[in-house]
Amino acid sequence: DQQVKQNSPSLSVQEGRISILNCDYTNSMFDYFLWYKKYPAEGPTFLISISSIKDKNEDGRFTVFLNKSAKHLSLHIVPSQPGDSAVYFCAANTGGYQKVTFGTGTKLQVIP
Amino acid sequence: GAGVSQTPSNKVTEKGKYVELRCDPISGHTALYWYRQSLGQGPEFLIYFQGTGAADDSGLPNDRFFAVRPEGSVSTLKIQRTERGDSAVYLCASSLTSNNEQFFGPGTRLTVL
Repeated sequence: DQQVKQNSPSLSVQEGRISILNCDYTNSMFDYFLWYKKYPAEGPTFLISISSIKDKNEDGRFTVFLNKSAKHLSLHIVPSQPGDSAVYFCAANTGGYQKVTFGTGTKLQVIP
Repeated sequence: GAGVSQTPSNKVTEKGKYVELRCDPISGHTALYWYRQSLGQGPEFLIYFQGTGAADDSGLPNDRFFAVRPEGSVSTLKIQRTERGDSAVYLCASSLTSNNEQFFGPGTRLTVL
C-alpha cells in the first residue's frame, strides 16, 4: 500500500527552466509534507516542507504547493541548475511525529 | 559539527549469517530512526528510538530484525539469519527531538549472497 506516490520516475529539464516534481498521497491523516534530495552514495537531505494548514511554502528557488482536496503536492525549482540533478523524494507524516513515509522518488536531470 | 555516521559503508555477507550495522547520530540528538531503502524504492521506516527506548518498531519486517540504543546515543541494527531479500541500503537518521528535522547518514549497503 503505497501511501505516497511519485508517478514520474525521471524528469529532464534544461538549465534555467522550471522543474516541477509531483506527488500524490492517499492518507488523509498526513498533516506535514516534506521534500528530500538525494545524491548517489549519500543519505537524503531535507529540502523544504509544508504544513497542511498552508498551501504554499517558498524558500529561494524552491516552492512547494499543497492541494489538500486533491491530495497532491508539487515541488517547483526555478531556475533549475545542473547541481539540482539528484533524486527527489516526497514524504509525509502525521501529528508532528516523525515516522516519515516516503515516495519512490523522481530522478531529476538538469541539462546544461 | 559531525553529521550522522554509519559503519560499515558496505557489508557483504552470506545467506544465513548474522550482521550488525552501526549508527552514530549527531551529538545531542535524542531521536534516532532506522530506514531501509530497496532498489528503486524510497526509504521505508523500520524503527524509531526516543532516548534508549524503541518508541515505535512497527516497521521491522520480522523477528530476525532487532535494534538497540543502550546509552541513548549509538544504535545497532541487528539482522539474524540473513536472507537475500534483506539486501538493501540501511539508512539511519537522527533529530534533536521527535518533532524536528531528521538528518540522514550515508547508509550501509548490505548485500546478502
